[in-house]
Amino acid sequence: DAKTTQPPSMDCAEGRAANLPCNHSTISGNEYVYWYRQIHSQGPQYIIHGLKNNETNEMASLIITEDRKSSTLILPHATLRDTAVYYCIVAGNMLTFGGGTRLMVKP
Amino acid sequence: ETGVTQTPRHLVMGMTNKKSLKCEQHLGHNAMYWYKQSAKKPLELMFVYSLEERVENNSVPSRFSPECPNSSHLFLHLHTLQPEDSALYLCASSLAGSVAGGTDTQYFGPGTRLTVL
Repeated sequence: DAKTTQPPSMDCAEGRAANLPCNHSTISGNEYVYWYRQIHSQGPQYIIHGLKNNETNEMASLIITEDRKSSTLILPHATLRDTAVYYCIVAGNMLTFGGGTRLMVKP
Repeated sequence: ETGVTQTPRHLVMGMTNKKSLKCEQHLGHNAMYWYKQSAKKPLELMFVYSLEERVENNSVPSRFSPECPNSSHLFLHLHTLQPEDSALYLCASSLAGSVAGGTDTQYFGPGTRLTVL
C-alpha cells in the first residue's frame, strides 16, 4: 500500500473550516483514499473515502487532486468535538495507519 | 455507536493470568479484525478473519490466540502476557467476504484498554 505524509499537528478556530492535507505521491490506480479520525482513547471513526472524484457526506468533504497524488479533508465548520487525530490512508488491500494529524479545535 | 461492541472496556491482568477479549458486530459483515495500539504508536494490524477463516496473521506472538466462531463474534485469548503488551486492543469489521481484491470500509469498536502488571 502507498505511504502517506501528513503534518503532525494543526490548529483550527471553532466555527472555521479545517483543511487537513495529505500527500500520497506513490498511490496506484486501484487504491482508495480513506480518512478516519480517533478521539482520545476511542476506536477510529470512519469519515469518508474516495478514488478519483471529490466526495461529500454529512461529516466532511474530500478533495482529491487530478493526479491523485494528494488530497484534502475539509471539515466545513469545526467544533470542539472535532479535536482528534485524523488519519489519511491509501488502501489497496488493507488499512495501514500512520501517525496522522492531531487537529486541535480552539474556542 | 458503530455497531461493533467490545468487552470488557478495561482489563488489568497479571502475567500468569488467562483472559479473553470479546468483539461482536451487529452489521452483517463478513470480515473481522484485531488491531493493537500501543502508547504513542500507530495502530498495528494483528489478525484478519474473513468468513470465519483466518486470512492474516501479522507475526503476532503465540500468547495472543484469536478465535472466530461465527461471522458476528471474534475473540482474542490472552495468556502469559508481558507488560509491553499493555495497549488499546481494537476490533473492526467490514462487509467483504474476502480481503483480496480491494479494500472496504472498516468500522471499529471502542476498544479494550489492557494493562498487564
